[in-house]
Amino acid sequence: DVKVTQSSRYLVKRTGEKVFLECVQDMDHENMFWYRQDPGLGLRLIYFSYDVKMKEKGDIPEGYSVSREKKERFSLILESASTNQTSMYLCASSSLRTTRDTQYFGPGTRLTVL
Amino acid sequence: SQKIEQNSEALNIQEGKTATLTCNYTNYSPAYLQWYRQDPGRGPVFLLLIRENEKEKRKERLKVTFDTTLKQSLFHITASQPADSATYLCALILSGNTPLVFGKGTRLSVIA
Repeated sequence: DVKVTQSSRYLVKRTGEKVFLECVQDMDHENMFWYRQDPGLGLRLIYFSYDVKMKEKGDIPEGYSVSREKKERFSLILESASTNQTSMYLCASSSLRTTRDTQYFGPGTRLTVL
Repeated sequence: SQKIEQNSEALNIQEGKTATLTCNYTNYSPAYLQWYRQDPGRGPVFLLLIRENEKEKRKERLKVTFDTTLKQSLFHITASQPADSATYLCALILSGNTPLVFGKGTRLSVIA
């Protein structure tokens, strides 16, 4: 079974703090994604990566950055957290080769910025 | 402009009935279409994939249709149960290695 894990289920941070959200997958997938999900807005793609050290902007990259130093790990960084970044953050992985782009999601991190 | 719409934000249905959820898209040419289930506070889980040249796909009590002329997919749950209550998301797989395009989801409540 594919497993995607995220470092925290719940996180509370203060405005201006630097926040790291970690995601690890164990199926050797090339592709990894970060989304945020808010009521009424659905899943919105923040950043994605198709290979180690590669990154692509999604639909809403402003205020975020990412890092992919190893194939299995994709980190989302909030350089200076703001209250409008309070959200559910979901990481996913996929493989064009083996899963026809089916995405496997982690359990999510509910981030609250005070 | 490109759009993907799930026409109901919420759908209530009585236990035992068939639930039908709709996914419409505009100005996309998907190679595949997927449906996911999401329970509250959890990540989406893949349910079914249907190719553009397939009209229908079934898995147990689930059935998906894909009409590329109407640009629509229908997702059916037959003999619905309270345990089927969840949010269901459709997603388009476009050609090439581009990210999936997700609909906003329909929250289904099956009432006993």
